Amino acid sequence: NAGVTQTPKFRVLKTGQSMTLLCAQDMNHEYMYWYRQDPGMGLRLIHYSVGEGTTAKGEVPDGYNVSRLKKQNFLLGLESAAPSQTSVYFCASSPGNTQYFGPGTRLTVL
Amino acid sequence: AQSVTQLDSHVSVSEGTPVLLRCNYSSSYSPSLFWYVQHPNKGLQLLLKYTSAATLVKGINGFEAEFKKSETSFHLTKPSAHMSDAAEYFCVVSDLTRGSYIPTFGRGTSLIVHP
Repeated sequence: NAGVTQTPKFRVLKTGQSMTLLCAQDMNHEYMYWYRQDPGMGLRLIHYSVGEGTTAKGEVPDGYNVSRLKKQNFLLGLESAAPSQTSVYFCASSPGNTQYFGPGTRLTVL
Repeated sequence: AQSVTQLDSHVSVSEGTPVLLRCNYSSSYSPSLFWYVQHPNKGLQLLLKYTSAATLVKGINGFEAEFKKSETSFHLTKPSAHMSDAAEYFCVVSDLTRGSYIPTFGRGTSLIVHP
C-alpha cells in the first residue's frame, strides 16, 4: 500500500515550457486535490476532483489544468510555465474529509 | 464560507516546556477540524482531527486539541516540547458548504524548540 505518490519529485523548467505532474493513490479515494505551497501562504487549492471524470477549480486555478480519467490518478498540467509557478506542489486524496498527502514536487521555473 | 486563522506565524519554546498553537475558525455548518504537521522538506502528516465526537481530541506524539464551539477555536497543545517537534503546523477546517469536502488551510505556525 503506497498511499499517495507524486511524480516527479523535482523539476526545473524554462519559462514557456509545459509539463504534467502525476498523482496516484491506491486507497480507492473519491476525492483528490492539488495544492501549491509558498512561504507564508500555507497550502492553496489549485484544482480538485470529487470523483472519476470530474474536476473543479480551487482558489488559484489560473495557468493550470487537470484531468481525472482514472479514479486513482489526478494529473496537473502547466501549459506555459511562468516563474510565478515556482513552488512546491502537493497532491492529496480523501475518502471524505480526512486528507492523505503525497511527498510533494518541487518545481522551479527559470 | 469557511475560514481558518492561525494566530501566530511563529512560536518559540524551550525543550520541556508546554506548547500552545492557536487556531480560530469560521464555518456555517458543523465543521471537521484538523491539525497537520510538516517537517522540513517533507509532506504533511495528520496529527489529529475533530469530527463532532469528543471535544478533546488526542493525537500522535502527545499532542491534543480542544474544540470550543463558543469560542470557535481549536488550539493545539502539548505538555512538554521535544526537539523533534520543531516543524510547521497547519490548522484546517472542512465542511460541506459547497456540497463537497473542500478543506481550507491556515497559513501555518512555525514551532521553534530551543535546547
